Amino acid sequence: QLQLQESGPGLVKPSETLSLTCNVSGGSITSDTYYWAWIRQPPGKGLEWIGSIHYSGSTNYRPSLESRVTMSIHTSKTYFSLRLSSVTAADTAVYYCARHETGAFRFFGLWGRGTLVTVSS
Amino acid sequence: EIVMTQSPATLSVSPGERATLSCRASQSVSSNLAWYQQKPGQVPRLLIYGATARATGIPARFSGSGSGTDFTLTISSLQSEDFAVYYCQHYNNWPYTFGQGTKLEIK
Repeated sequence: QLQLQESGPGLVKPSETLSLTCNVSGGSITSDTYYWAWIRQPPGKGLEWIGSIHYSGSTNYRPSLESRVTMSIHTSKTYFSLRLSSVTAADTAVYYCARHETGAFRFFGLWGRGTLVTVSS
Repeated sequence: EIVMTQSPATLSVSPGERATLSCRASQSVSSNLAWYQQKPGQVPRLLIYGATARATGIPARFSGSGSGTDFTLTISSLQSEDFAVYYCQHYNNWPYTFGQGTKLEIK
């Protein structure tokens, strides 16, 4: 059964770059059927899609974050990653990795457990 | 960007009663809409996709309806475990967006 697990620093200083990885286990990250995504949730607030990446390298980002976001996929090591530059306190959130299909059913059917990232000096 | 608006923000309902949650899109998303349930400290769980289809393992008391811009999630007879926050999300085109959530609380 495929599982996703986020990892990365829990504390990042303002103006620095947030870096997270999502390890994919129990299945292939190179399936043509799926996109791999990042979603975040500030404490006490709602969900925000950050972006999605296909194993081919194709990416789509939230427009308001696009200038600061880079997603990459590492097929040989079965993980994908998120980099968010120039962070501020507003980037403090639980960051989830997730999966959605490339076809008609592009809802988030599989999620990681999430990791809290706090931006503070 | 399509804006998803959920109403009400908070809904107070007694166990055993019916709950009706609404989600409106700022432009048509066809039937490309999903509903998620999130309990405190937990990961969102997919309930409904394609506006009306229940995800695997979701009880029949959960049902979705609507298309275009107006959608409804109905829980026919509330159980104690159903009190949570519910989010709608469209996946009609990029960027995907979520509603701000409806908190379903015990009356």
